[in-house]
Amino acid sequence: GAGVSQSPRYKVAKRGQDVALRCDPISGHVSLFWYQQALGQGPEFLTYFQNEAQLDKSGLPSDRFFAERPEGSVSTLKIQRTQQEDSAVYLCASSQGRGGNTGELFFGEGSRLTVL
Amino acid sequence: GDSVTQMEGPVTLSEEAFLTINCTYTATGYPSLFWYVQYPGEGLQLLLKATKADDKGSNKGFEATYRKETTSFHLEKGSVQVSDSAVYFCALSANQAGTALIFGKGTTLSVSS
Repeated sequence: GAGVSQSPRYKVAKRGQDVALRCDPISGHVSLFWYQQALGQGPEFLTYFQNEAQLDKSGLPSDRFFAERPEGSVSTLKIQRTQQEDSAVYLCASSQGRGGNTGELFFGEGSRLTVL
Repeated sequence: GDSVTQMEGPVTLSEEAFLTINCTYTATGYPSLFWYVQYPGEGLQLLLKATKADDKGSNKGFEATYRKETTSFHLEKGSVQVSDSAVYFCALSANQAGTALIFGKGTTLSVSS
């Protein structure tokens, strides 16, 4: 597609359920980022992939959060045993270069997760 | 660590008014600076950027100048339109490969006709 695509756009989960959020970056983009955006806040970095390699996962808030990009294209962010504090919009962004500073980041519309 | 502080919103203006959204940063070294915009129902998109001191980024009538001495990157527009209503995010990135953007909290701009 022409842009970064994320699915589902909206997800409601009961506390304790596992969820999986998908990101389809722009074709050929090397770098892929995941961000978490709480209500009224700016996006906060979760993790970064360069092709299939996860080079930085320092922003993942706990070991319940896991991300993968096995073939260097589509990425999945998985949250196990969801908690209410996980409620947020999860943003995916990709760029052609090897890092957020080397060129424009293209963002998806986000996946809004609500944990009841 | 590196951080970005931007003015609290919401900012409410009439059409054709002058806009300033303040942004200051804290960073080691010499980061690149960005303004991103999020229109209602859309994803974040880059508005403008500056990669070194005294650079001016500009796009769609918006401007921001990288001021190293005041560690600022204020966003300005001389005459806002209703279509400029959106959330504006200031962000920085250390100039190293693989570095993520660090965002401010965002400022909501509402322009009425």
